[in-house]
Amino acid sequence: DAGVIQSPRHEVTEMGQEVTLRCKPISGHNSLFWYRQTMMRGLELLIYFNNNVPIDDSGMPEDRFSAKMPNASFSTLKIQPSEPRDSAVYFCASSTKDSYGYTFGSGTRLTVV
Amino acid sequence: RKEVEQDPGPFNVPEGATVAFNCTYSNSASQSFFWYRQDCRKEPKLLMSVYSSGNEDGRFTAQLNRASQYISLLIRDSKLSDSATYLCVVNKGSGKSTFGDGTTLTVKP
Repeated sequence: DAGVIQSPRHEVTEMGQEVTLRCKPISGHNSLFWYRQTMMRGLELLIYFNNNVPIDDSGMPEDRFSAKMPNASFSTLKIQPSEPRDSAVYFCASSTKDSYGYTFGSGTRLTVV
Repeated sequence: RKEVEQDPGPFNVPEGATVAFNCTYSNSASQSFFWYRQDCRKEPKLLMSVYSSGNEDGRFTAQLNRASQYISLLIRDSKLSDSATYLCVVNKGSGKSTFGDGTTLTVKP
């Protein structure tokens, strides 16, 4: 299994631009999570999906952030417009069951200048 | 108060030492517990689940104390390669897990 695949690995963009992060979960995993990690705030859950349906998006910072999961093998996290404070590492993770833990992708390191 | 609290460290120990990390959680309804390891500039990776009966995986032992709401991780015979940040994770059975801020371990020759 290739694991959770995220793209791009690095993204540098100018303030105000739209950013789209992509994730392919492990086949057969029915839950998908988007996390953001910064030195100041640690790992924060942004949103998670169960069977492609958004279950909890209370962690999404504001309306500039949106996430979709059109099918079981693909999800996107979009930031529009991006701001310098959005600079962070964004991780996608997937799992089959709460008690099994998560498998994380390698992350996307986003820098907004 | 944070849902999951860890001593951030850093813990600096010599090779071969035994080191223990503790983590406390605030929600008594929490159901699943884990330790993850995160290397610098890498993604978190599941190290082990934690059960009330305690569980061991080689040099690593994890314990859960539900009454006191804490989780521990013991590393025996530390190796240089154990240097990393160790994240305590708690799941309330709601589908989402809460991560602690991590404890940094550096094992020195």
